[in-house]
Amino acid sequence: NAGVTQTPKFQVLKTGQSMTLQCAQDMNHNSMYWYRQDPGMGLRLIYYSASEGTTDKGEVPNGYNVSRLNKREFSLRLESAAPSQTSVYFCASSRVDYGYTFGSGTRLTVV
Amino acid sequence: QKEVEQDPGPLSVPEGAIVSLNCTYSNSAFQYFMWYRQYSRKGPELLMYTYSSGNKEDGRFTAQVDKSSKYISLFIRDSQPSDSATYLCAMSFSGGGADGLTFGKGTHLIIQP
Repeated sequence: NAGVTQTPKFQVLKTGQSMTLQCAQDMNHNSMYWYRQDPGMGLRLIYYSASEGTTDKGEVPNGYNVSRLNKREFSLRLESAAPSQTSVYFCASSRVDYGYTFGSGTRLTVV
Repeated sequence: QKEVEQDPGPLSVPEGAIVSLNCTYSNSAFQYFMWYRQYSRKGPELLMYTYSSGNKEDGRFTAQVDKSSKYISLFIRDSQPSDSATYLCAMSFSGGGADGLTFGKGTHLIIQP
């Protein structure tokens, strides 16, 4: 049982480049999330999807877009990367009355 | 408002000691409370999940929630060097899905052998 799988694990982008972070879960969870983690700022919610076919903005959505491709997959896209988007990105999933399961993260550096 | 306050530490204690980790929050609408452990360069791992006020025990870990004081705690008994990590408190309004989690910034715990 793999849980939540994120790809890639590491990425370096140049300012202005685009990329998509992939996330897949095999626990049949309805809800999925994208967080970013920065030193001194903690984990902040970027976007979430309460169920297949729906997405909503979190605390820090600017500069990002998401797609809930199906129940298993939830991707995060950076259309034009900026140095301020250098961070560690975590995908998570959850079901009702249970805590969230996180992936191992993607370390993104924008130069 | 979703503020959650957590002392960043580091908190350093000798092996075998009882560890107390705490968070306070300002929004009384939070109903679900969690503790996560995060090792360096890894994703957060769920330790405890509780609903509303009360205590919950799981092995060496006990979580306490006092909603009247807006205060939650995690106790670790017989602490081990392998418990050295960052501990994150988290909370949400709903039981799973509608709003995401609001996290504290984490407490860095060091257990000295």
